[in-house]
Amino acid sequence: QVQLVESGGGVVQPGGSLRLSCATSGFTFSSSGMHWLRQAPGKGLEWVSFIRFDGNNKYYTDSVKGRFTISRDNSNNTLFLHMNNLRAEDTALYYCAKDRDYYGSGFYWGQGTLVTVSS
Amino acid sequence: DIQMTQSPSSLSASVGDRVTIPCRASQPISNYLNWYQQKPGKAPKLLIYAASSLQSGVPSRFSGSGSGTDFTLTIASLQPEDFATYSCQQSYSTPFTFGPGTKVDI
Repeated sequence: QVQLVESGGGVVQPGGSLRLSCATSGFTFSSSGMHWLRQAPGKGLEWVSFIRFDGNNKYYTDSVKGRFTISRDNSNNTLFLHMNNLRAEDTALYYCAKDRDYYGSGFYWGQGTLVTVSS
Repeated sequence: DIQMTQSPSSLSASVGDRVTIPCRASQPISNYLNWYQQKPGKAPKLLIYAASSLQSGVPSRFSGSGSGTDFTLTIASLQPEDFATYSCQQSYSTPFTFGPGTKVDI
């Protein structure tokens, strides 16, 4: 059974940094593409970033390029999102997600970790 | 970026009703379209992938159709546990984008 457990969220001031983690189990992490998505309070879903199974390809939505970095540790089955220069508009529930099968075939989601950017 | 639209933003229905939820893409996306169900305080759940393929474990009353720019999620006979928000998502190109969702309530 696929399990994705996010951690690392919290309250941070504008301009600050956070590192989110996603501990995974129940599937072969080192063979799976992984994503981060987010949902601002009361808003819709937004895809943030993707990393290929081997870490060699990474994609980002424009609003986080140059500020966020996705990475993974295949030896520990863990996904990360390093977030720098945080803005108020980054406030959201951040979800870790796994490709259902192949890239673009839908997401399996974790339960999310809340990031609040506020002074 | 590909824009996904869903209208209406909400609809009212009763148990046993047949419900159809439309989704439109701003450009052709073939069948690269996924549907999710989300209940308050919960993570989204994948229902349909590749426009019409039922995700394992999802009840057969859910179905998806469409190709190109116009898609539909159908719930054949609405059950009490189906009251939720339904969102479509295109996986044709990054950034992957979602529709704003259609909330199904009583």
